[in-house]
Amino acid sequence: AQSVTQLDSHVSVSEGTPVLLRCNYSSSYSPSLFWYVQHPNKGLQLLLKYTSAATLVKGINGFEAEFKKSETSFHLTKPSAHMSDAAEYFCVVSALYNQGGKLIFGQGTELSVKP
Amino acid sequence: DVKVTQSSRYLVKRTGEKVFLECVQDMDHENMFWYRQDPGLGLRLIYFSYDVKMKEKGDIPEGYSVSREKKERFSLILESASTNQTSMYLCASLSPQGYTEAFFGQGTRLTVV
Repeated sequence: AQSVTQLDSHVSVSEGTPVLLRCNYSSSYSPSLFWYVQHPNKGLQLLLKYTSAATLVKGINGFEAEFKKSETSFHLTKPSAHMSDAAEYFCVVSALYNQGGKLIFGQGTELSVKP
Repeated sequence: DVKVTQSSRYLVKRTGEKVFLECVQDMDHENMFWYRQDPGLGLRLIYFSYDVKMKEKGDIPEGYSVSREKKERFSLILESASTNQTSMYLCASLSPQGYTEAFFGQGTRLTVV
């Protein structure tokens, strides 16, 4: 069965410093992996997705994530945080091929950005 | 643009009421989902459907049922609302063809009093 663990429930950074949001997954086959962002009182927006092509995936707003099979990780990074990055971030694994497209969410990481 | 539309942003219902949450998508997606979102618990899957009239239980189906009579519409039903069902409810849809992303509605914040 698939599962996903976000290692930090809350991360606080200063504006202009790097962001690292950690995600580990468990999957019995090659997974599809996603990062979604949710700003306050907004719906979920896709940041980026891993689809078994390049292991380094670039997303919107300067975010990127690297798929590391040996570490079963899919950490989200950004070189320089902006105040507008403050939001909740979800790492998601997709069980597309044997569970009807079921998406499994991590518990979320709340990112705070200090001026 | 893909649109997933939930019929209400905010709802307040009384304990014991039957509650319907509606979700409509316009991309002809086969798969649709209902999640509830609670602080510290992330998104938990209630039910999903991969075809008209087909449904599968998710991780927390108790107290809920669903209906999918048409491909574009997926309804979540609270048979007898209780205060522990106060939550944010999110609907999503995706096509299972390839590694496509899921598209989410804006959410319905349900308060049961």
